[in-house]
Amino acid sequence: GAVVSQHPSWVICKSGTSVKIECRSLDFQATTMFWYRQFPKQSLMLMATSNEGSKATYEQGVEKDKFLINHASLTLSTLTVTSAHPEDSSFYICSARDPAGGEKLFFGSGTQLSVL
Amino acid sequence: DQQVKQNSPSLSVQEGRISILNCDYTNSMFDYFLWYKKYPAEGPTFLISISSIKDKNEDGRFTVFLNKSAKHLSLHIVPSQPGDSAVYFCAATRYNFNKFYFGSGTKLNVKP
Repeated sequence: GAVVSQHPSWVICKSGTSVKIECRSLDFQATTMFWYRQFPKQSLMLMATSNEGSKATYEQGVEKDKFLINHASLTLSTLTVTSAHPEDSSFYICSARDPAGGEKLFFGSGTQLSVL
Repeated sequence: DQQVKQNSPSLSVQEGRISILNCDYTNSMFDYFLWYKKYPAEGPTFLISISSIKDKNEDGRFTVFLNKSAKHLSLHIVPSQPGDSAVYFCAATRYNFNKFYFGSGTKLNVKP
């Protein structure tokens, strides 16, 4: 199946700093990528839909100024957690659909963010 | 409003037996349904999917059944193996794939 690469796998940062997470589609072009967040023992919460060349669409309750999404190319989307605080600590996962692959959504390996 | 629901947070099954994971949905307009498997600290991996025009899809040990009248789908794993122990998510989407709705997950434990 299609491969979605996400980096870093984990990051520890101090409160107030910003953290960038990268999501790449390695063998296909993704006009749309999705960013999810998972709290411990909870479901995947869609944060935003990243659209290549245009602004991301954020879900209700997600602060667009805190979670900056950039989708500058057909293979790369980035999520920047700005001025991170301990409550932002979570597991962040990106996903993308290969247009030639039908309905399947492929996920990156996730990023565990810990804010001290 | 949660459009996809998995009402069983956990399931325990003996190795070799059948595992049945259930999922309900509310939107009759969904066109595709998918099942994902997730290990801790990893991204979900695609398992199997089914189109709304079908009622069954099989891939090896995995079979998904769709009952549109009941708005219900299930994933059958036969025979279950210890390596199947993971959290399973069902998901649904429309034909335009603009959004994927996920259930809350069911943690499957296959005992040796």
